[in-house]
Amino acid sequence: AAGVIQSPRHLIKEKRETATLKCYPIPRHDTVYWYQQGPGQDPQFLISFYEKMQSDKGSIPDRFSAQQFSDYHSELNMSSLELGDSALYFCASSDSPLLPSTDTQYFGPGTRLTVL
Amino acid sequence: AQTVTQSQPEMSVQEAETVTLSCTYDTSESNYYLFWYKQPPSRQMILVIRQEAYKQQNATENRFSVNFQKAAKSFSLKISDSQLGDTAMYFCAFMKQMVRAGNMLTFGGGTRLMVKP
Repeated sequence: AAGVIQSPRHLIKEKRETATLKCYPIPRHDTVYWYQQGPGQDPQFLISFYEKMQSDKGSIPDRFSAQQFSDYHSELNMSSLELGDSALYFCASSDSPLLPSTDTQYFGPGTRLTVL
Repeated sequence: AQTVTQSQPEMSVQEAETVTLSCTYDTSESNYYLFWYKQPPSRQMILVIRQEAYKQQNATENRFSVNFQKAAKSFSLKISDSQLGDTAMYFCAFMKQMVRAGNMLTFGGGTRLMVKP
């Protein structure tokens, strides 16, 4: 079965640079979520989108922005990168929550961002 | 706000034996979902099992089952016939049931499980 695709898988940036992470949800999934997992930590929710509209927002820094496009893929844009932004960034997707039993999040493999 | 607590940072079990991972949560919500996710050394987050709070019956997926105690706000995971491939970090997660989409997951701190041959 098709899974969530994230690109790139690894990214190395310098401080103050900009990074863009991409997420392609499972086909027919219309909801996308972004999570950040620091070393030795549990994933922390950043932001989610449903039908191209922002749905929920967590502890996402103002330096980060995200959007969902018409084909349902999503991009997380990170500017003025700091050393503390080094983490594993997960994208997850789910299908329409009209039926609550289907509102389960399936995670991609993650993008490992290293800020030097 | 919801909190999820996993009180066992690390556990180990012999291959073929049974192990139970604990999870407690705190919420004022009456409708919600609980999940267990597995994160092996590859760091991929893999869904193990899901439980709807309105269901009294405990969820089961092959060798994985849960003991859901709503009144006690407890959600433990039992792994039967442990296999070497079960070695991973296990996260308990909570999600409110809401009318809108895109509900966030709140994770516990994780339990690192080592299955020994």
